[in-house]
Amino acid sequence: QKEVEQNSGPLSVPEGAIASLNCTYSDRGSQSFFWYRQYSGKSPELIMSIYSNGDKEDGRFTAQLNKASQYVSLLIRDSQPSDSATYLCAVNNNAGNMLTFGGGTRLMVKP
Amino acid sequence: GAVVSQHPSRVICKSGTSVKIECRSLDFQATTMFWYRQFPKKSLMLMATSNEGSKATYEQGVEKDKFLINHASLTLSTLTVTSAHPEDSSFYICSARSSTGESYNEQFFGPGTRLTVL
Repeated sequence: QKEVEQNSGPLSVPEGAIASLNCTYSDRGSQSFFWYRQYSGKSPELIMSIYSNGDKEDGRFTAQLNKASQYVSLLIRDSQPSDSATYLCAVNNNAGNMLTFGGGTRLMVKP
Repeated sequence: GAVVSQHPSRVICKSGTSVKIECRSLDFQATTMFWYRQFPKKSLMLMATSNEGSKATYEQGVEKDKFLINHASLTLSTLTVTSAHPEDSSFYICSARSSTGESYNEQFFGPGTRLTVL
């Protein structure tokens, strides 16, 4: 079982819709959770971090964390074609330093 | 804020030469930096963890004598690919974990270095 799992996609949504990206993790002691966006040929860009259960909103992005169920999700409201990218879920392991990445979900927003 | 630079962005070299890649955190201190490589359409692969003032920790299967890492200051880490071969051609990305300020514990990536070994 992979430590951080994501559906590879592609997830296709129409412009203006809500895109929902999900991630599960296996290390119950994980404390920090991050979402990165990576455009093709570019390096990952941090878009959200979340540390406690519940929702965290930043503009069109909402991260949701449920430690009991060991999942973290990212909602993108009013999806735009420019949101088309691969979204990487990352979890900080118990050692505190290293991020463990999921394989990424490719999102396609169609005009 | 939280900008990480990487230099060079692209390098083409002949087989057998060594290539040095620099990673700098421009507006924050990073006691820990990480080096990744990524092949086309594949996931990030962590190569090593670089700690300021101490030896790097390499992931299993990564040759420490081939990929030399130096983390000489709180804002600079370097990766040297020694005696590069065509199979070393890849996208090398560094990241820096902020050890201060509002972005404490967050990890920011450099723009990457695309290495092509002929």
